[in-house]
Amino acid sequence: DAKTTQPPSMDCAEGRAANLPCNHSTISGNEYVYWYRQIHSQGPQYIIHGLKNNETNEMASLIITEDRKSSTLILPHATLRDTAVYYCIVRYGNKLVFGAGTILRVKS
Amino acid sequence: DTGVSQDPRHKITKRGQNVTFRCDPISEHNRLYWYRQTLGQGPEFLTYFQNEAQLEKSRLLSDRFSAERPKGSFSTLEIQRTEQGDSAMYLCASSLGLWADTGELFFGEGSRLTVL
Repeated sequence: DAKTTQPPSMDCAEGRAANLPCNHSTISGNEYVYWYRQIHSQGPQYIIHGLKNNETNEMASLIITEDRKSSTLILPHATLRDTAVYYCIVRYGNKLVFGAGTILRVKS
Repeated sequence: DTGVSQDPRHKITKRGQNVTFRCDPISEHNRLYWYRQTLGQGPEFLTYFQNEAQLEKSRLLSDRFSAERPKGSFSTLEIQRTEQGDSAMYLCASSLGLWADTGELFFGEGSRLTVL
């Protein structure tokens, strides 16, 4: 599985967009990029995934660079409830391999 | 509640004892996964089932660990002769198995194990 690199922590002001970067320079052509988050004391929660094209759903947007070596998860209007650990995962095969993730702190 | 449920939520045991965790996946999901998570780390894959067949096991899953899914529904994870290093959150997840569709695993709240 390709490895991902994320900053260990980030802060964001409430109501502003949170942009979480992820590097996956060794990604191969058929590997998807997934984002999950984990709020304290809960199991991880799926956010979004993509292969080549940018994706948007009710929770977030995923921007993947043209060379697919990096991506950005965008939470358009962060709230205090978005404070969590965010995991960027490149999957191939039948399992997700989590890294340490980014701790996002949304502050009022 | 139709999500993934795990039992017990918390377990405290003495070193050397056996413990068993149960996971009830979402009813129509044919894939079931076990992960382990220690403080400050992301979840680590342990094993997964496609219906009742255990298709992959991590090297993290030592001989003291055994997982079953006898009827393709609920699953159990047993740890024999527990060690303090087994202290962790044990997470279960399920999916339809149709990865190309959603890529979504549904996780339970986890079972926290403390080995004294």
